[in-house]
Amino acid sequence: EPEVTQTPSHQVTQMGQEVILRCVPISNHLYFYWYRQILGQKVEFLVSFYNNEISEKSEIFDDQFSVERPDGSNFTLKIRSTKLEDSAMYFCASSISPTGTDTQYFGPGTRLTVL
Amino acid sequence: AQTVTQSQPEMSVQEAETVTLSCTYDTSENNYYLFWYKQPPSRQMILVIRQEAYKQQNATENRFSVNFQKAAKSFSLKISDSQLGDTAMYFCAFSHSGGGADGLTFGKGTHLIIQP
Repeated sequence: EPEVTQTPSHQVTQMGQEVILRCVPISNHLYFYWYRQILGQKVEFLVSFYNNEISEKSEIFDDQFSVERPDGSNFTLKIRSTKLEDSAMYFCASSISPTGTDTQYFGPGTRLTVL
Repeated sequence: AQTVTQSQPEMSVQEAETVTLSCTYDTSENNYYLFWYKQPPSRQMILVIRQEAYKQQNATENRFSVNFQKAAKSFSLKISDSQLGDTAMYFCAFSHSGGGADGLTFGKGTHLIIQP
């Protein structure tokens, strides 16, 4: 069964450094999403992406964040200058159709630790 | 903006028992989608069940079923014949049906523990 994959599984970085989290969505999916989950808290939506542009973003997704689909398979989340509060689990998800009409399938997540 | 509330931070039942997890939501929309996701200790989010608001019939998936009360804005998950592998965090989630790539809105989750 096709899966969403994410790399790395765990990333440790120093405050102020740039990080890029990578995701490979399911191959025939067209809609892509990033979520984050701070330890012990609920999952929060960051951004969605469709047709090579951002479709929707939350208040969390400020200028420090960016997303890109550099080729036909990868979908990346970049944090330009990491802060301690960026430490969280970051989940990528994808779907064939717009939200609701189709299920979002989640990847296993990347645990980001900012020191 | 819509909100999703899960009022049970943790629940514990014996194996083989039936357990119901509660979820309420608030929205002004008439059509939308509701989901239950499971997050086991491995932390990957897995879809358990999905409900379309315009369908009156409650969704079922094997041992999992929902009680969808649209007027009350309630969407509870019932797990029958619970198994040790059901131990996990369970998140209720809401999405619009507007046709865009809208993000899911999650509740805070319920930690379900199945005791042997």
